[in-house]
Amino acid sequence: AQSVTQLGSHVSVSEGALVLLRCNYSSSVPPYLFWYVQYPNQGLQLLLKYTSAATLVKGINGFEAEFKKSETSFHLTKPSAHMSDAAEYFCAVSLVYGNKLVFGAGTILRVKS
Amino acid sequence: DSGVTQTPKHLITATGQRVTLRCSPRSGDLSVYWYQQSLDQGLQFLIQYYNGEERAKGNILERFSAQQFPDLHSELNLSSLELGDSALYFCASSVVQGPKDTQYFGPGTRLTVL
Repeated sequence: AQSVTQLGSHVSVSEGALVLLRCNYSSSVPPYLFWYVQYPNQGLQLLLKYTSAATLVKGINGFEAEFKKSETSFHLTKPSAHMSDAAEYFCAVSLVYGNKLVFGAGTILRVKS
Repeated sequence: DSGVTQTPKHLITATGQRVTLRCSPRSGDLSVYWYQQSLDQGLQFLIQYYNGEERAKGNILERFSAQQFPDLHSELNLSSLELGDSALYFCASSVVQGPKDTQYFGPGTRLTVL
């Protein structure tokens, strides 16, 4: 079965520092991968998605992620953290032959001033 | 604003009761998905409808049911509620139902069972 592992339930960075949120997937076939962000008391908002085109995917708010098949990873990065980036981030994989999203456990990003 | 609307925003009810959660997808989206978010289980897929037909089922309890109406809005019915059903319930929609399709999420309905 498809699964997603997000390393680190909490990540804390200083404002202006690099953000790195880790996501590894298990898949026997090339997956489709997504990063969503959830702000407090809100729904999930798509940051970016990988659908087998370019391996480096750029998303909204300065985030990007690189699909590395050899490492089965899809880590999310942002060069410089902003206070407004504080939220919970979810990595998700979509089944090739199905329609549901399988989510990781989420990583709460804290940005210190 | 994703364009997906969910009502009500909050729902407080007692064990044993039945509730209905409503979702209106984005204009033009044919596919509706329901997810449950809880502290212990995380985000879990419940069920998907496409143009009125059930297409996929996940970890949905037999006490729960859903349907999608001709105008494409969907309802999730939860019955014989238990304390453990307290969670945030999200509806998402997509244009069609391919694995590449972006699912747009509504703001959720927070259910509290007392």
